[in-house]
Amino acid sequence: AQSVAQPEDQVNVAEGNPLTVKCTYSVSGNPYLFWYVQYPNRGLQFLLKYITGDNLVKGSYGFEAEFNKSQTSFHLKKPSALVSDSALYFCAVRGQMDSSYKLIFGSGTRLLVRP
Amino acid sequence: GAVVSQHPSWVICKSGTSVKIECRSLDFQATTMFWYRQFPKQSLMLMATSNEGSKATYEQGVEKDKFLINHASLTLSTLTVTSAHPEDSSFYICSPLGPRETQYFGPGTRLLVL
Repeated sequence: AQSVAQPEDQVNVAEGNPLTVKCTYSVSGNPYLFWYVQYPNRGLQFLLKYITGDNLVKGSYGFEAEFNKSQTSFHLKKPSALVSDSALYFCAVRGQMDSSYKLIFGSGTRLLVRP
Repeated sequence: GAVVSQHPSWVICKSGTSVKIECRSLDFQATTMFWYRQFPKQSLMLMATSNEGSKATYEQGVEKDKFLINHASLTLSTLTVTSAHPEDSSFYICSPLGPRETQYFGPGTRLLVL
């Protein structure tokens, strides 16, 4: 069965420090992997995705994510956190052969960046 | 690019009434549309998938007669919550499948049924 795990409900970091939001997945075949961010009372905003190629994917707002096939992980990272990065982050996956295009979402991780 | 709008952004209605939510992809065409609902502090729950000009496919446990989905054009889809009840109060989000097979999301509609 396909699944996504975000093991941390909340991540706290100080502004200026690097941040990591963890994600592991399980999917049949090769995955497409996505990160989305949600601000309060808003829909999800696309940050980045992995399809194929370089394991390090760069996205919006200075975020990047590293695909690790052996560990089935796709952790979201940013070298220097901003207070404005505080939001809810979702990791999502679908199989490359899945013609339904349905995404499987993780439970979300709340990022809190303190000044 | 890949801008999605939803209307209304919030709605309060009486129990037993119907509410229609519109979702538009403003700068791209979407053959496929996903509708989600989200409860407070929870992840997104997929309700249904629709393809333009076809009937929607509903996820298990979602009542198709209560949540009517119309995907009449490549830029417009609607979700109608019929005979709404307080338990239907939630945050509803549409997600058209956009460029490069990526799902983009509307800003959401908060529904409160009294």
